[in-house]
Amino acid sequence: AQSVTQLDSQVPVFEEAPVELRCNYSSSVSVYLFWYVQYPNQGLQLLLKYLSGSTLVKGINGFEAEFNKSQTSFHLRKPSVHISDTAEYFCAVSGDRLNAGGTSYGKLTFGQGTILTVHP
Amino acid sequence: DGGITQSPKYLFRKEGQNVTLSCEQNLNHDAMYWYRQDPGQGLRLIYYSQIVNDFQKGDIAEGYSVSREKKESFPLTVTSAQKNPTAFYLCASSIRAGFGQPQHFGDGTRLSIL
Repeated sequence: AQSVTQLDSQVPVFEEAPVELRCNYSSSVSVYLFWYVQYPNQGLQLLLKYLSGSTLVKGINGFEAEFNKSQTSFHLRKPSVHISDTAEYFCAVSGDRLNAGGTSYGKLTFGQGTILTVHP
Repeated sequence: DGGITQSPKYLFRKEGQNVTLSCEQNLNHDAMYWYRQDPGQGLRLIYYSQIVNDFQKGDIAEGYSVSREKKESFPLTVTSAQKNPTAFYLCASSIRAGFGQPQHFGDGTRLSIL
């Protein structure tokens, strides 16, 4: 089974300060990793994804994340946050899963979310 | 612009009533998904469809039903058997089902009980 743990449910930070949102995962198979952002009463928007290659992944809005296989982590970082970054952030893992017919459907498992609040 | 359209944005259900949430995509994606979001619980998979005329149960399918008669449409029915339907429902799609495919989301439908 695969699982995702986001270590902080809420992260308050002042504008222009750096921020790190922590994500740990567990899986018995190789995984792909994602970070999504959700603004109030909206759907999820893909921030970045790790599929293979360089362990440092850059995404939209100045965010980046580092894949650490030995620590099974995929923490999200931004060097300087803005008020507009206030939102909920979800880490997700895609492991290879088979449906009843034996076909891979790439199940996405989400963490519980981290609410980032940027104060002026 | 291509995207996923969910309607209505807000929906109210009476006791014993079935309600249907609409999800339409014009991304030409093969795979579509329904998730339920509750505060502090992340997203949980209700049903998914890898291709037209096919769908599979996710982790919390009880009390829900779906159909996939057209590639662009994947409606979700919340039946009276779902005893706690109040939640935010999100529809998503991906180019195809499979390992590592990023999913694109609609803006959700918020369902409440009258």
